[in-house]
Amino acid sequence: GAVVSQHPSWVICKSGTSVKIECRSLDFQATTMFWYRQFPKQSLMLMATSNEGSKATYEQGVEKDKFLINHASLTLSTLTVTSAHPEDSSFYICSARETGVTHEQYFGPGTRLTVT
Amino acid sequence: AQSVTQPDIHITVSEGASLELRCNYSYGATPYLFWYVQSPGQGLQLLLKYFSGDTLVQGIKGFEAEFKRSQSSFNLRKPSVHWSDAAEYFCAVGAGGSQGNLIFGKGTKLSVKP
Repeated sequence: GAVVSQHPSWVICKSGTSVKIECRSLDFQATTMFWYRQFPKQSLMLMATSNEGSKATYEQGVEKDKFLINHASLTLSTLTVTSAHPEDSSFYICSARETGVTHEQYFGPGTRLTVT
Repeated sequence: AQSVTQPDIHITVSEGASLELRCNYSYGATPYLFWYVQSPGQGLQLLLKYFSGDTLVQGIKGFEAEFKRSQSSFNLRKPSVHWSDAAEYFCAVGAGGSQGNLIFGKGTKLSVKP
């Protein structure tokens, strides 16, 4: 149980285009989902917290107009990287917290984004 | 502010040897503590967690960790390392509040010699 999927697992896009990454909780409902970014050989950096049906909360320094987060249902959150630039190339990982359960997150397998 | 320190960036052990990965945290109240493992290009897998109760926690794959409040530590141990344990290990603390987000250490890369 407690499986989180991400799609796509890897994507290559050109500078200036937008790319959407999906995060799904497959066998549980997730009121809260988290989006992390991981640079090579570094730790995970929390980008934003998304709550179903409300606006996401972004961490300091993360541009909310560039990284659009939508959490329209209890099983799906999406991250859209708008007007992508090569510096946005990174490994993006989502996690989901089961509704009613605090402090335990289930992580997706990650999405490798390369912007050319 | 909450923080997590993993002092060792890279550790190499021989297969069959014991392992201890260090983790120190800074948190005002009783922390929620986690150890995750990440293989290259993969997401994170939860090894074990501590919320309360017995300070020695057993996890998957033969790992265990001990919560020591006096030392603000939550070190990960395994008595006999297997080659498949080579990966990146992250310690994390629950940041508290209603959101329950995690704060991660910088990670320790484990290499296993044959």
